[in-house]
Amino acid sequence: DARVTQTPRHKVTEMGQEVTMRCQPILGHNTVFWYRQTMMQGLELLAYFRNRAPLDDSGMPKDRFSAEMPDATLATLKIQPSEPRDSAVYFCASGYALAYNEQFFGPGTRLTVL
Amino acid sequence: QKEVEQDPGPLSVPEGAIVSLNCTYSNSAFQYFMWYRQYSRKGPELLMYTYSSGNKEDGRFTAQVDKSSKYISLFIRDSQPSDSATYLCAMSAGSNYQLIWGAGTKLIIKP
Repeated sequence: DARVTQTPRHKVTEMGQEVTMRCQPILGHNTVFWYRQTMMQGLELLAYFRNRAPLDDSGMPKDRFSAEMPDATLATLKIQPSEPRDSAVYFCASGYALAYNEQFFGPGTRLTVL
Repeated sequence: QKEVEQDPGPLSVPEGAIVSLNCTYSNSAFQYFMWYRQYSRKGPELLMYTYSSGNKEDGRFTAQVDKSSKYISLFIRDSQPSDSATYLCAMSAGSNYQLIWGAGTKLIIKP
């Protein structure tokens, strides 16, 4: 049963700390998306990669967020330093290039910054 | 004004009712229209996918697109408590374009 996995599932941290979220896309998928979901803003695209290359990260606050794909089985999203306004659920999704319409989402990382 | 507008609800209906969920949009370039379903504390999952105008049916679900009115709908027949979830519409101008998402409508089906 192929699925996207994300770790950690929950993270509570203090303001100013570094947070790293990890995602394992479905094997064979060549596109990875990072989203943030809040009650106020809904689902926001932060960044996405095709064949491990970043295509668009315009949705991310550049001064504190960074996204990478060190290899085809791992995508990371880092926040440094974290702020209370970063509290949200962060989703990773994967899919195929030329089929962005069908994205397979992971279970999300619920982040709380105190 | 957002590119995609969706009433966040909640929408509460009795079991067995027909449910109508809707989104409006402003970008006439959108060609692909999707409905994703999101259960509480889970990631969204693709439910229905329509290209251009027209209807598409899958079991109890029907997706309808009216490009002249820039309006899309999802109908659920014989609604079940297990249909209780948030339904998000999403649209794109092409199959390799990023999705533009609605806010999601929370649906509650009362037994």
